[in-house]
Amino acid sequence: GAVVSQHPSWVICKSGTSVKIECRSLDFQATTMFWYRQFPKQSLMLMATSNEGSKATYEQGVEKDKFLINHASLTLSTLTVTSAHPEDSSFYICSAPRTSGGPAQFFGPGTRLTVL
Amino acid sequence: KNEVEQSPQNLTAQEGEFITINCSYSVGISALHWLQQHPGGGIVSLFMLSSGKKKHGRLIATINIQEKHSSLHITASHPRDSAVYICAVVGGATNKLIFGTGTLLAVQP
Repeated sequence: GAVVSQHPSWVICKSGTSVKIECRSLDFQATTMFWYRQFPKQSLMLMATSNEGSKATYEQGVEKDKFLINHASLTLSTLTVTSAHPEDSSFYICSAPRTSGGPAQFFGPGTRLTVL
Repeated sequence: KNEVEQSPQNLTAQEGEFITINCSYSVGISALHWLQQHPGGGIVSLFMLSSGKKKHGRLIATINIQEKHSSLHITASHPRDSAVYICAVVGGATNKLIFGTGTLLAVQP
């Protein structure tokens, strides 16, 4: 079946550095991908919608200059956390719709980011 | 008030018990997901439904669109069912997911 992968699965970085997280659809094309963030003991929150070939759409309260999203191909979206700070430490998950515009979603395994 | 509410927040059951987790929502939706999240964090989509009832193994999911309510049932629960179960609705106009706060289930042997 369709699979969404994420890389890396975990990353530890120093405060002030930038971290790139990749989300790939392995055997299907995704014109749209979604990025979520989950803080400990909290539910997932949608951060942004990544659109292939156009700018990402960010949810209210999410800084687009801090969380850079690039959807360069139909199978790859990247989230770059720029100038990361300890409060950015979280679990980042992506998902991709099974079919374009459809409600069914495949989820990536997530990336745990720890900023020291 | 959250747009998606789940109950209970925490649930402890003995192995073999029948378990029900409830989800109520207040927005228009095109579909509803039940998701399972294990301690490692990875998420598995258990069901996506927009009407009626679906069954997969020991898991059953139902949805009542008129009442804006869905339930996830686990029959003959097992310790390996221990996880966080999350209800997420697909916004009717946007296809964006809105998540409930999750139900932490612990099944004791």
